[in-house]
Amino acid sequence: AQSVAQPEDQVNVAEGNPLTVKCTYSVSGNPYLFWYVQYPNRGLQFLLKYITGDNLVKGSYGFEAEFNKSQTSFHLKKPSALVSDSALYFCAVRDDRGATNKLIFGTGTLLAVQP
Amino acid sequence: DVKVTQSSRYLVKRTGEKVFLECVQDMDHENMFWYRQDPGLGLRLIYFSYDVKMKEKGDIPEGYSVSREKKERFSLILESASTNQTSMYLCASSYPGSSYNSPLHFGNGTRLTVT
Repeated sequence: AQSVAQPEDQVNVAEGNPLTVKCTYSVSGNPYLFWYVQYPNRGLQFLLKYITGDNLVKGSYGFEAEFNKSQTSFHLKKPSALVSDSALYFCAVRDDRGATNKLIFGTGTLLAVQP
Repeated sequence: DVKVTQSSRYLVKRTGEKVFLECVQDMDHENMFWYRQDPGLGLRLIYFSYDVKMKEKGDIPEGYSVSREKKERFSLILESASTNQTSMYLCASSYPGSSYNSPLHFGNGTRLTVT
């Protein structure tokens, strides 16, 4: 069965510093990986996805994510954090041996960027 | 841009009431989903639908049912609301139906309180 883990409930970073939000996954087949962001009292917004190809994926708002097959990880990164990046971030995975409709989400990581 | 609209942002219902949560998408998406979001648990899939009048149970379907009479509308029904169904409910859609790499598009959520 597919699963995804976000080991940190909260990440704190100073504005201007690089940030990393961690995600690891487990699938039977090949993973399709996604990052979403949720601002207060809003739904989730799609940031980026990994399907195949380059291990470094670029997405919205200057975010990128690095796929590492050997470590089964898909960490979200940004070179220079902004206060406006403060939000809840979710990693999600689909397994190409599972139902195409089933996207499994992690428990979320709250990113707090201090000015 | 895809728009997923949930009819209510906030709802307060009494225990035992029948509750309808409505969701409409405007992009002719085949797949529609209902998730609930709880702190520390992330998003959990309640039900999904890949076509009109079709539905599949997700991971936590107990106490819920769904209806999809038209392609653009997917309703979540709580037959007899209970306090443990107090949560944030998120509707999402995606297209096309058989693709692993389609991101979900979310509504802004309905925060339901059952007293």
